[in-house]
Amino acid sequence: QSALTQPPSVSGSPGQSVTISCTGTNSDVGAYDRVSWYQQPPDTAPKLLIYEVSNRPSGVPDRFSGSKSGNTASLIISGLQAEDEADYYCCSYTSSRTYVFGTGTKVTVL
Amino acid sequence: QVQLVQSGSELKKPGASVAVSCKASGYTFTNYAINWMRQAPGQGLEWMGWINTKTGNPTYAQGFTGRFVFSWDTSVSTAYLQISSLKAEDTAVYYCGRDEYGGRSKLDYWGQGSLVTVSS
Repeated sequence: QSALTQPPSVSGSPGQSVTISCTGTNSDVGAYDRVSWYQQPPDTAPKLLIYEVSNRPSGVPDRFSGSKSGNTASLIISGLQAEDEADYYCCSYTSSRTYVFGTGTKVTVL
Repeated sequence: QVQLVQSGSELKKPGASVAVSCKASGYTFTNYAINWMRQAPGQGLEWMGWINTKTGNPTYAQGFTGRFVFSWDTSVSTAYLQISSLKAEDTAVYYCGRDEYGGRSKLDYWGQGSLVTVSS
């Protein structure tokens, strides 16, 4: 199972919006609405931001939103803040009844 | 509150074995699966597999069969990852994560990570 493809880095100024893509296949992202997103600040465990494509756990700001079209899922961060600087990973359930993570994206706040 | 607390850092020689523990609290242990992830230095997350905490049945991802073993002890609400015949490339932080059954891709609580360093 190959890792899902994410851009290595995205950047934006405070207050701007950034979008991180996560491209898979019709055996994972395209097959199920079971895509999640995780935020990982340096030297910290990942934190769940979005599950089942677009659902936010309680406590996650509504600046974070998710969507999916075909084999590509997206995480949108609106109103970018300095504290959003971190690595972000997508994850999808697969037709093999396994999970696969994305390659990871570093978000830089300019 | 829900917590997953992992064992501490380990320094091992090539060929040795290591066990990482993941102790759950704040919820009914058997109501959720435990997944294991690996993160090599400066690299991304890799999904290693999961253990059904109701039955003890493990599922391993490709590349994590043979030397990797998941186990559990419900009496102490703890899941374990054992790695044998350690190699330098096993040097990584290993994370456990709680997930609902059914593959919802909802790892809502994670352990703090356990660093395993393999070096002669």
